[in-house]
Amino acid sequence: NAGVTQTPKFQVLKTGQSMTLQCAQDMNHEYMSWYRQDPGMGLRLIHYSVGAGITDQGEVPNGYNVSRSTTEDFPLRLLSAAPSQTSVYFCASSYSSTSGKLRLYEQYFGPGTRLTVT
Amino acid sequence: DAKTTQPPSMDCAEGRAANLPCNHSTISGNEYVYWYRQIHSQGPQYIIHGLKNNETNEMASLIITEDRKSSTLILPHATLRDTAVYYCIVSRIQGAQKLVFGQGTRLTINP
Repeated sequence: NAGVTQTPKFQVLKTGQSMTLQCAQDMNHEYMSWYRQDPGMGLRLIHYSVGAGITDQGEVPNGYNVSRSTTEDFPLRLLSAAPSQTSVYFCASSYSSTSGKLRLYEQYFGPGTRLTVT
Repeated sequence: DAKTTQPPSMDCAEGRAANLPCNHSTISGNEYVYWYRQIHSQGPQYIIHGLKNNETNEMASLIITEDRKSSTLILPHATLRDTAVYYCIVSRIQGAQKLVFGQGTRLTINP
């Protein structure tokens, strides 16, 4: 299994540009989440999903959109990039009810996308 | 979800046990204690979790006080690879997909 993959690894945007951060997992996990981590800080939850077609807001959702059309993918869209969105973005997944491993408590994190908005 | 308090930094000698404390005095009866760590700039990694009993796995042990207001993560024989930021998080099991990370404890293992 590749686990949780994120693309791109690095991205530089100009203020006002839009882009989509990609996240995919191949573990048949039902739950997926997006976090951001600012320098020297802990992670903050942006949006999360408990299954295909179901999403909800986290702690810092403003300026971001998500959708979950498949179990595998959970893209994060920046609508109009701002310097305050300069951060490292982590995607995570957890919980498969079909694999026999009800590890609801354990999130698997991707390697992160480092985004700079100038 | 209950808030946690951790020391900002700790040091430990290689080969010794590293004991990382966490206070969670407002924890509710249905909230679990989770520990994650983040090595350098990588994504966080799950270590262990518990409700009220002490827990042990291949990575660490978790000791939760009887009143559940504090806990200690123990790395029994710390290695240089254990240098990381360690996060103590309290959350309901149903909320495990939306954890609230604080600033954690930066643990440095010294040779």
